[in-house]
Amino acid sequence: DAKTTQPPSMDCAEGRAANLPCNHSTISGNEYVYWYRQIHSQGPQYIIHGLKNNETNEMASLIITEDRKSSTLILPHATLRDTAVYYCIVRVDQAGTALIFGKGTTLSVSS
Amino acid sequence: GAVVSQHPSRVICKSGTSVKIECRSLDFQATTMFWYRQFPKQSLMLMATSNEGSKATYEQGVEKDKFLINHASLTLSTLTVTSAHPEDSSFYICSAEPYSGNTIYFGEGSWLTVV
Repeated sequence: DAKTTQPPSMDCAEGRAANLPCNHSTISGNEYVYWYRQIHSQGPQYIIHGLKNNETNEMASLIITEDRKSSTLILPHATLRDTAVYYCIVRVDQAGTALIFGKGTTLSVSS
Repeated sequence: GAVVSQHPSRVICKSGTSVKIECRSLDFQATTMFWYRQFPKQSLMLMATSNEGSKATYEQGVEKDKFLINHASLTLSTLTVTSAHPEDSSFYICSAEPYSGNTIYFGEGSWLTVV
């Protein structure tokens, strides 16, 4: 079973920041937080992952709370193409360990 | 990012026949490949985990004789749906884990329709 809780849906205006929350209160010390997104009828796309420090790449920023029980994915300037289902997943950094998907958050970006 | 390719992207087959879906890691060698299926408006469900040269590990409830997985090389895994039925119609997605790094990359998915 998925070990994360996400709101089922969120809306965001184009050009504004999209902040997607994720609760993972039972996360273990050796589990990373991964974010993927799935645009309709495509395979999931990797966005970002982190252990305990905040991370940033060209797509997004990941903010992890100090107790690691929750995190927020930030898309700084959302576009219509960011409309997708966003999945927050916790996973042990061990070869052969699969990503287990929950229901995710459907983000709708509108103009 | 790394590229994982699936083929075919869409396939229609007759009930009772078998269909093979290929998953290739194009620019890296994969220690492990994973197969998922996804029904409309649902999340991805893990079917099996495969390692090169060894038998796949199937999730509970997934019939290993129906969904044959072969991981013949470090860049290729195949899923064969045997004796397909209409209820096997679904979106099948593979993913691959490189030797180096801890990021898993997904293919584009394959739509299977059984008529």
